[in-house]
Amino acid sequence: GESVGLHLPTLSVQEGDNSIINCAYSNSASDYFIWYKQESGKGPQFIIDIRSNMDKRQGQRVTVLLNKTVKHLSLQIAATQPGDSAVYFCAEGRSGGYNKLIFGAGTRLAVHP
Amino acid sequence: GAGVSQSPSNKVTEKGKDVELRCDPISGHTALYWYRQRLGQGLEFLIYFQGNSAPDKSGLPSDRFSAERTGESVSTLTIQRTQQEDSAVYLCASSSSGARTEAFFGQGTRLTVV
Repeated sequence: GESVGLHLPTLSVQEGDNSIINCAYSNSASDYFIWYKQESGKGPQFIIDIRSNMDKRQGQRVTVLLNKTVKHLSLQIAATQPGDSAVYFCAEGRSGGYNKLIFGAGTRLAVHP
Repeated sequence: GAGVSQSPSNKVTEKGKDVELRCDPISGHTALYWYRQRLGQGLEFLIYFQGNSAPDKSGLPSDRFSAERTGESVSTLTIQRTQQEDSAVYLCASSSSGARTEAFFGQGTRLTVV
């Protein structure tokens, strides 16, 4: 469903550890999934995307995994750095036409030295 | 322009006054979104415009909120008779209608109702 104003869950990790942020999506017809990063005082910024015909995609230090069977998406950040501290949102959408992007509730990642 | 532009970046208004927030989307983007984000919280969907289709207004919290968009250009979000609970950052995003539906966000307008 639609994301609503909720206090964000927080994931705390030590600098250098790997982080895994999870997201459950709602629409089995969604064919496009995106992770966004929102730093304090800024709008969300694109990190990585994945199409529904894939189950894994890697970027620089980030990996997105898609499990369509259970409608689950995860973002893995390798060797987490203080600059990774932010709020992370997943989003789902469908290509073409009336294709409103639906955002998840978000997770705050806190990286400790 | 190069990105989504929102104005003003900050707005302080007195309770009961009307405010108008502006969003300039990326040129050529047919889709435009408005979100509200209260401090420390997630993105609250307000309204979605897609081309000439009827907008999805399902997220507007009350009839004090309205938004307009002419074609694929500028959008304005209007809040009438502002209340303190309206204090938040209002984010606008735009996207194209092709295979890639990535939404690009503006920096937001921080609204404070005193």
